[in-house]
Amino acid sequence: DAGITQSPRHKVTETGTPVTLRCHQTENHRYMYWYRQDPGHGLRLIHYSYGVKDTDKGEVSDGYSVSRSKTEDFLLTLESATSSQTSVYFCAIRDRVESPLHFGNGTRLTVT
Amino acid sequence: DAKTTQPPSMDCAEGRAANLPCNHSTISGNEYVYWYRQIHSQGPQYIIHGLKNNETNEMASLIITEDRKSSTLILPHATLRDTAVYYCIVWAGNNRKLIWGLGTSLAVNP
Repeated sequence: DAGITQSPRHKVTETGTPVTLRCHQTENHRYMYWYRQDPGHGLRLIHYSYGVKDTDKGEVSDGYSVSRSKTEDFLLTLESATSSQTSVYFCAIRDRVESPLHFGNGTRLTVT
Repeated sequence: DAKTTQPPSMDCAEGRAANLPCNHSTISGNEYVYWYRQIHSQGPQYIIHGLKNNETNEMASLIITEDRKSSTLILPHATLRDTAVYYCIVWAGNNRKLIWGLGTSLAVNP
């Protein structure tokens, strides 16, 4: 498996609280991504990064922010969690534009 | 952006070949065909990808039609551990334009 670690693996939080999910890679890959997966939907891109401090929005970025201060870490922050953000969150990495994505094992977030 | 069409579910007997079809009639010339699978609630696992030519690796074979409008993923000897949801994706590597469908749920039966 690609060296990707997501933390925490599970989290329950209350509406209105801030939450930060972490993705850590040991592959020194340039590109990193955050996806969410919900029943009835395919994976949907939240934000991605194409280098340190270089990030951009995906298709469902509202309510989320990201930061990448080091190559190996990509953080996803929910500033004020809502119940609609209950989901499974996956981090992915890749080396070059033409390379395939490699995924972490996900974080299951429940917002009550 | 090219989208794909896959059957929602398929069955296969253990030890037999599993042939998973995918239609991508609007594929562009610079888009690759990628296949992933997802077991239970784990992260999607990369299987194989190709542009024009057929490809084979230790996991599977990918057959792409000459007009590139469809492809087939072949698992030559399916095992129970191949039970998963299989996703076919076409992508040119543009970060914002990768579209994931709902895939094919493959059940390998003993």
